[in-house]
Amino acid sequence: GAVVSQHPSWVICKSGTSVKIECRSLDFQATTMFWYRQFPKQSLMLMATSNEGSKATYEQGVEKDKFLINHASLTLSTLTVTSAHPEDSSFYICSARATVGRTSGELFFGEGSRLTVL
Amino acid sequence: AQSVTQLDSHVSVSEGTPVLLRCNYSSSYSPSLFWYVQHPNKGLQLLLKYTSAATLVKGINGFEAEFKKSETSFHLTKPSAHMSDAAEYFCVVSYSGNTPLVFGKGTRLSVIA
Repeated sequence: GAVVSQHPSWVICKSGTSVKIECRSLDFQATTMFWYRQFPKQSLMLMATSNEGSKATYEQGVEKDKFLINHASLTLSTLTVTSAHPEDSSFYICSARATVGRTSGELFFGEGSRLTVL
Repeated sequence: AQSVTQLDSHVSVSEGTPVLLRCNYSSSYSPSLFWYVQHPNKGLQLLLKYTSAATLVKGINGFEAEFKKSETSFHLTKPSAHMSDAAEYFCVVSYSGNTPLVFGKGTRLSVIA
């Protein structure tokens, strides 16, 4: 079945550094990918919608200069947390919507990336 | 506005007994409805989905859900809980095309031996 791969699955960084998280659709094309953030014991909060070849659409309250999203190809979107601070520590999950084929329209989730900022 | 309400934040059942996780949605349109399961520190796994076909949807691991338009509900059930079912469950609604999913707040299922 369709697979979405996130990397890294977990990362620890120092405050002030930048961290890049990759989201890849391994066997399907995805013109749209979504980035979510999940706090402990809470639901997923949509951060932004990433569209291939165009600028991401950010949800209200999400700083676009803080969370840089690039969707350079039909199989890859990246989220860069710039100048990370401890409050950015969270579980980040991406999802990708298949655009063609048997699974067209379905949404698939990555395994998530746990970010800890010291 | 679109919304989805999971009526219980935590459900605890004994192993071998039935599971019922409740979900209601608000919508002026015909939505697609999903149930996802999340184990600790993991991504989301699709259990089942409703997309305007049969109202009783069967999913993986013995779970099923019934779409009831008159009640705007999509409750998740399983006849007999297993210890491995202990996880967080999310009811999710999608309205069209490339619009993002709307997540419920989640229900944590505990299974007691």
